[in-house]
Amino acid sequence: GAVVSQHPSRVICKSGTSVKIECRSLDFQATTMFWYRQFPKKSLMLMATSNEGSKATYEQGVEKDKFLINHASLTLSTLTVTSAHPEDSSFYICSASTGRVYEQYFGPGTRLTVT
Amino acid sequence: GENVEQHPSTLSVQEGDSAVIKCTYSDSASNYFPWYKQELGKGPQLIIDIRSNVGEKKDQRIAVTLNKTAKHFSLHITETQPEDSAVYFCAATGGGGSYIPTFGRGTSLIVHP
Repeated sequence: GAVVSQHPSRVICKSGTSVKIECRSLDFQATTMFWYRQFPKKSLMLMATSNEGSKATYEQGVEKDKFLINHASLTLSTLTVTSAHPEDSSFYICSASTGRVYEQYFGPGTRLTVT
Repeated sequence: GENVEQHPSTLSVQEGDSAVIKCTYSDSASNYFPWYKQELGKGPQLIIDIRSNVGEKKDQRIAVTLNKTAKHFSLHITETQPEDSAVYFCAATGGGGSYIPTFGRGTSLIVHP
C-alpha cells in the first residue's frame, strides 16, 4: 500500500519550453502532496505544499510563477516548470500524505534536463 | 525552526558488520522521526519511523532509538548486506505544529561484499 508514482521518470526539454510532471497516489487518497527538488548528493529541498482544491503554499525563494502546482484531485498533483532554463535541471520528487499527517510516501522522482 | 544534523556523511562497512547513523534535532516539540532510504536515481523510501512516546523500535535488521532528553535518534542496521548500500536520510517532524519534515543532509552507506 501507499504507492506514489511520477511521470515521466526522466525528461529532456529545450530552454524556454515548459514541462509538466505528474504525481499520483495509486492506492490512497492524498489530502496533501509535497514537491521537492534534490541536487546531486544533497538533501531534499521542499519547494511547495499543495492541498487538494486549494492553492499551493510555496517555500521562501521558490518562484510560484515558474513552478506551477495544481492539485486537482485527491490522487493527482502536477508540477509545471515554465520557461525552463538549464539551471532548472534537477531531480524533482513528490510525496503524498495519507491523512495520518506525519507519514509521507515519496514518488520515484523525475530527472529533468534542460538543454 | 527545526534543525537536523546527521552524521556521518559517509559510512563504509564490510558485509555483515553493523552500521549506525546518528541524528540530532533542535526543536523539543518534534515528535515524529522517520528514516528514509534512497537508492541511486530513485525516490526516498520510508524504512522505519519512531514517535516521541517510544524509545526504541525494531524491524528485522533495522532499529531506531530515540533519546528525547538529548534530542537525538539513531538508525542501527545489523548484518549489513550489499543491497543496504544507499543514502539514508533522517527527519524530524511536528515541531511548532508543522507536519512538514526537516531532513538531515543524508548518509551514504557503502557495504563492501
